[in-house]
Amino acid sequence: AQSVTQLGSHVSVSEGALVLLRCNYSSSVPPYLFWYVQYPNQGLQLLLKYTSAATLVKGINGFEAEFKKSETSFHLTKPSAHMSDAAEYFCAVLNDYKLSFGAGTTVTVRA
Amino acid sequence: SQTIHQWPATLVQPVGSPLSLECTVEGTSNPNLYWYRQAAGRGLQLLFYSVGIGQISSEVPQNLSASRPQDRQFILSSTKLLLSDSGFYLCAWRGQGANNSPLHFGNGTRLTVT
Repeated sequence: AQSVTQLGSHVSVSEGALVLLRCNYSSSVPPYLFWYVQYPNQGLQLLLKYTSAATLVKGINGFEAEFKKSETSFHLTKPSAHMSDAAEYFCAVLNDYKLSFGAGTTVTVRA
Repeated sequence: SQTIHQWPATLVQPVGSPLSLECTVEGTSNPNLYWYRQAAGRGLQLLFYSVGIGQISSEVPQNLSASRPQDRQFILSSTKLLLSDSGFYLCAWRGQGANNSPLHFGNGTRLTVT
């Protein structure tokens, strides 16, 4: 089954700085990839999903992710962090009907 | 538009007591339905999924069970809770359209077994 690995369990950024969250996938065929965000004591909210139509995917809240086949990566970025971006972020891959998640990356934003 | 309802939001139960968590989806038909658990240090773990009424697939052997009595209703149960059942339980649905359809999650139930 395909899997994803998130590098870095915690990321701390200053408000206004770049947010970069790393995700690598293991697959020999184009995977179905997603990024989700989870705020404390809430469910997961879809940020964006990869479609083969474009390698750069734009999502909600100013986030985007770039699919790089040569690096088997699907990193999530946001040019300028906001305090409201403090949350946990999950990369995920779809296997048949099921979604497998990375371990998650907690983002803290410093004022 | 589609919505997913999950209840209760929080639950405190003693060891050995029964459990019933309910999830319903509105605005779609024949969805795939899922139960995930999120526990400290264990990430997001798929417990059960269902592709149709009465069809339940179990991913992890445990003392939990799931049922789908109606098309848009998914229930997670236990006859006797263990301390290790504590966690954050998330229900999700997925449309059976495009191959890259995402999962949509409910707000979760925080279960504490004491």
